Amino acid sequence: TQLLEQSPQFLSIQEGENLTVYCNSSSVFSSLQWYRQEPGEGPVLLVTVVTGGEVKKLKRLTFQFGDARKDSSLHITAAQPGDTGLYLCAGDYKLSFGAGTTVTVRA
Amino acid sequence: DTGVSQNPRHKITKRGQNVTFRCDPISEHNRLYWYRQTLGQGPEFLTYFQNEAQLEKSRLLSDRFSAERPKGSFSTLEIQRTEQGDSAMYLCASSQGQASYNEQFFGPGTRLTVL
Repeated sequence: TQLLEQSPQFLSIQEGENLTVYCNSSSVFSSLQWYRQEPGEGPVLLVTVVTGGEVKKLKRLTFQFGDARKDSSLHITAAQPGDTGLYLCAGDYKLSFGAGTTVTVRA
Repeated sequence: DTGVSQNPRHKITKRGQNVTFRCDPISEHNRLYWYRQTLGQGPEFLTYFQNEAQLEKSRLLSDRFSAERPKGSFSTLEIQRTEQGDSAMYLCASSQGQASYNEQFFGPGTRLTVL
């Protein structure tokens, strides 16, 4: 049983479009992390959000932590084929992972 | 030392055999974690060490699984009498710090296939 639910499960878009991935839970997390994973590799940390309402930007990626620290979103602007991958959110020290969102950006 | 390394990257074994995986964390990291990931799912926590002490084990970790970190550096994960259901990617991660949140850095994983 995973405490974090991610939506959508799959997302396929054209290069240049925007996309948003959601991560929701009924539990409060002291921190939440986003990772990207490519096939056959381990997850790579993108960002950690800690404060409710926090917004962090990483180039074309914008991460938001909900005010109640129960949810988060990842927005990608002008997606590129290199953004293709499995996006995972995870909470707290044991990293309770969501099932992930598979993003495919078509050239 | 540029990151977490895991060996082997791939392991194919027959049901009933024992397998052992190794993880070398980032050198200054005192925490080491093992996860299991199956297709279409996120990683599931198995166990973690702080230095050489194994502090927590998931109920997913059956008696056939054992993990060690004898000197507080590298760790091994052994699976005895493997079953087909053990087929998965086994991921290792390490982190530094005592904070309730700590950024974990993952290795490339060991892909286990049990025939």
